[in-house]
Amino acid sequence: QSALTQPASVSGSPGQSITISCTGTSSDVGGYNYVSWYQQHPGKAPKLMIYEVSNRPSGVSNRFSGSKSGNTASLTISGLQAEDEADYYCSSYTSSSRVFGGGTKLTVL
Amino acid sequence: EVQLVESGGGLVQPGGSLRLSCAASGFTVSSNYMSWVRQAPGKGLEWVSVIYSGGSTYYADSVKGRFTISRDNSKNTLYLQMNSLRAEDTAVYYCARGGGWTTPRAFDYWGQGTLVTVSS
Repeated sequence: QSALTQPASVSGSPGQSITISCTGTSSDVGGYNYVSWYQQHPGKAPKLMIYEVSNRPSGVSNRFSGSKSGNTASLTISGLQAEDEADYYCSSYTSSSRVFGGGTKLTVL
Repeated sequence: EVQLVESGGGLVQPGGSLRLSCAASGFTVSSNYMSWVRQAPGKGLEWVSVIYSGGSTYYADSVKGRFTISRDNSKNTLYLQMNSLRAEDTAVYYCARGGGWTTPRAFDYWGQGTLVTVSS
């Protein structure tokens, strides 16, 4: 049950686009189309942003999009806004467990 | 409106026990997959356990044999019994709906979390 690998930090200016990667193995990210992404502001509970690789829950901005290639999933945020500054976590299923990435801190410059 | 409210956290000595509760409203716990996820201070998220609607349970290796997930259908409440607690179990514990094999295959609603501190 090793954690998925994410960059520790990414940054971008308002209006720009950024991409956060999430690398696993064929036993998790590569083996299932069940990658999800969560946004967490300081002191708050995580919020689901993307599920099953590329689906957005109702109410989540279409500036957020997800994709996957092989053992690596990606979250792209376009048109960066100040409110997007937060920690982002990916998650995947395995056959008998669930695993999260280590988290990525997004800074909006 | 879906709501999850955790309770039961606190300070406990190493080797001690604690039971967390998660009261749900706006949906039926027994008809859904329900999970516990924890976050150590300043660290990332760690999946702890899931209970399927059919009653099957699964645990992270780090808590297997020490933690037990369960639910009370009459109270629409999820529980996490934690025994043989260690310092490394110190974390905010979140209950979340999901983690199962029906869409969305994700954790779609989260509680506000309850802090468990294991220290002498």
